[in-house]
Amino acid sequence: GESVGLHLPTLSVQEGDNSIINCAYSNSASDYFIWYKQESGKGPQFIIDIRSNMDKRQGQRVTVLLNKTVKHLSLQIAATQPGDSAVYFCAENTGNQFYFGTGTSLTVIP
Amino acid sequence: DAGVIQSPRHEVTEMGQEVTLRCKPISGHDYLFWYRQTMMRGLELLIYFNNNVPIDDSGMPEDRFSAKMPNASFSTLKIQPSEPRDSAVYFCASSPTGTGYSHEQFFGPGTRLTVL
Repeated sequence: GESVGLHLPTLSVQEGDNSIINCAYSNSASDYFIWYKQESGKGPQFIIDIRSNMDKRQGQRVTVLLNKTVKHLSLQIAATQPGDSAVYFCAENTGNQFYFGTGTSLTVIP
Repeated sequence: DAGVIQSPRHEVTEMGQEVTLRCKPISGHDYLFWYRQTMMRGLELLIYFNNNVPIDDSGMPEDRFSAKMPNASFSTLKIQPSEPRDSAVYFCASSPTGTGYSHEQFFGPGTRLTVL
């Protein structure tokens, strides 16, 4: 029979535009969150993190927003570049375990 | 630092064979994690160690899977006997003890396992 694979949400943006990737997490007790970027054929790579006592954190070209009320996390990438094309995962931490979302595939159109 | 090192990068084997995946964590990191990634299930935690001691192996699929960490610089994930449904990319990650803020995990490049 036909196998059903994981259908990643996809996002396509024009080079230079801003990107927003969203993630819903499941455990209200999670106290730490990370966004990872995974390029084809490579392992996940840390982008930015945020603790639950914050609602916003900024890095270089990236911003993470945390809304604990609705258990929602977002990653904003400013001035998206072709090198940003990848799959982006959010991960929530409870204790010393991380639970990963299914990921969003970002494609940057030159 | 070379980062987390995994070997082999690719492994093709036949059903029923034993497969051993290897990982060298970043020096000084106390935690080591084994993950499996497939298109069907995404990224799944299999087991993790703290100071070479297995802490949680609830993600290990079944008794065919075993993991060891004989010292702080080496871990293995073994599948015996292997089955086609074990085909996946297996990642090892390590992290330092969280110091106030970050518990970032550093991932290796992964081992792509194909079981025929």
